[in-house]
Amino acid sequence: DTAVSQTPKYLVTQMGNDKSIKCEQNLGHDTMYWYKQDSKKFLKIMFSYNNKELIINETVPNRFSPKSPDKAHLNLHINSLELGDSAVYFCASSPTTYEQYFGPGTRLTVT
Amino acid sequence: GQSLEQPSEVTAVEGAIVQINCTYQTSGFYGLSWYQQHDGGAPTFLSYNALDGLEETGRFSSFLSRSDSYGYLLLQELQMKDSASYFCAVRVNQGGKLIFGQGTELSVKP
Repeated sequence: DTAVSQTPKYLVTQMGNDKSIKCEQNLGHDTMYWYKQDSKKFLKIMFSYNNKELIINETVPNRFSPKSPDKAHLNLHINSLELGDSAVYFCASSPTTYEQYFGPGTRLTVT
Repeated sequence: GQSLEQPSEVTAVEGAIVQINCTYQTSGFYGLSWYQQHDGGAPTFLSYNALDGLEETGRFSSFLSRSDSYGYLLLQELQMKDSASYFCAVRVNQGGKLIFGQGTELSVKP
């Protein structure tokens, strides 16, 4: 009965590869987010979808592309991975405009 | 620009009270949230203040002064399990965009 789940939990890949991270929530929330947390624990919003519509699109390289096939799923595809993309990526969902429920995170390591 | 300032580290002993401050400068302000994150874990929501004053939830309380662009999280009767990072986050628009502070690492000693 996991609320927000992400797969995979760990992802190790080489520079230049393309990878995807999947997120699913079973809370019935309309809004979902992607965050990046760097090695200094700084948490930065990347994207947000409300009921499959993109509502927040921060300044991230266009190698990052979110996709929301339905309101319970939000995936993140990353092309041409770079060393600087190494981080923990968190998916979150929200029933309100201020309370967000985070998934367990995906630790991405680019070598 | 948007900036949130909070102390990087705080240390306290079990049973004590600790206050983690957060000052902010943002282009919009709709409310201040607090999140807790244990090492290797996900951030979890603790509290939210949209209006001035104190909100209490069990051992945790959160305060906001919008005129001072300042808030704090107060943790009482500290327990070892409270050792974690605590983040303040400002909601900067109606859509729910959160800007996070850099986090305060709280160490609770026996």
